[in-house]
Amino acid sequence: ELKVEQNPLFLSMQEGKNYTIYCNYSTTSDRLYWYRQDPGKSLESLFVLLSNGAVKQEGRLMASLDTKARLSTLHITAAVHDLSATYFCAVEVAGNYQLIWGAGTKLIIKP
Amino acid sequence: DTAVSQTPKYLVTQMGNDKSIKCEQNLGHDTMYWYKQDSKKFLKIMFSYNNKELIINETVPNRFSPKSPDKAHLNLHINSLELGDSAVYFCASSRPGQGHYGYTFGSGTRLTVV
Repeated sequence: ELKVEQNPLFLSMQEGKNYTIYCNYSTTSDRLYWYRQDPGKSLESLFVLLSNGAVKQEGRLMASLDTKARLSTLHITAAVHDLSATYFCAVEVAGNYQLIWGAGTKLIIKP
Repeated sequence: DTAVSQTPKYLVTQMGNDKSIKCEQNLGHDTMYWYKQDSKKFLKIMFSYNNKELIINETVPNRFSPKSPDKAHLNLHINSLELGDSAVYFCASSRPGQGHYGYTFGSGTRLTVV
């Protein structure tokens, strides 16, 4: 059974700091996704990581994938208040397009 | 031009009632999904349909019945609602195979059973 673990589950940080969210998964997968969810809102796609060594960046967020270690990271650089949200990683079960989700990381960035 | 639209956005109902949530996508995707997000924000797949055919049916009480009249619509009917059914239900769609670059989610339906 595919399991996805995120850590930390809660992160409070000051603006301007850097931090990393980790996503470990238990079995082989083709794809890994990062989503953002604001309170009471839907899930917004941030990154799709398709292969070992994949790195994608958008603004202050950078995601990477190491399929051998079964680990993805979401790095936040010089955090700003607008990045406060809950971030989810999700791993696609090979062959059936089912997403298995991490528990989410609630990120609070204080001005 | 909402890509994946769900109705209603909020639903408050009493225990024992039957209710439906509707979902429509205009992306031309072949596959649609229902996910449940509980009070702790944990997301879990419930059902998946590909071209009107059920392909994923997770361990969900049989009070929940999905229906897909065509590949652009996936509705969720819930019978005999229970307190534990209170959650946010998200519809999503994707195009599996080549060109599969992820999932588009609807805005969610917050169901409260009282």
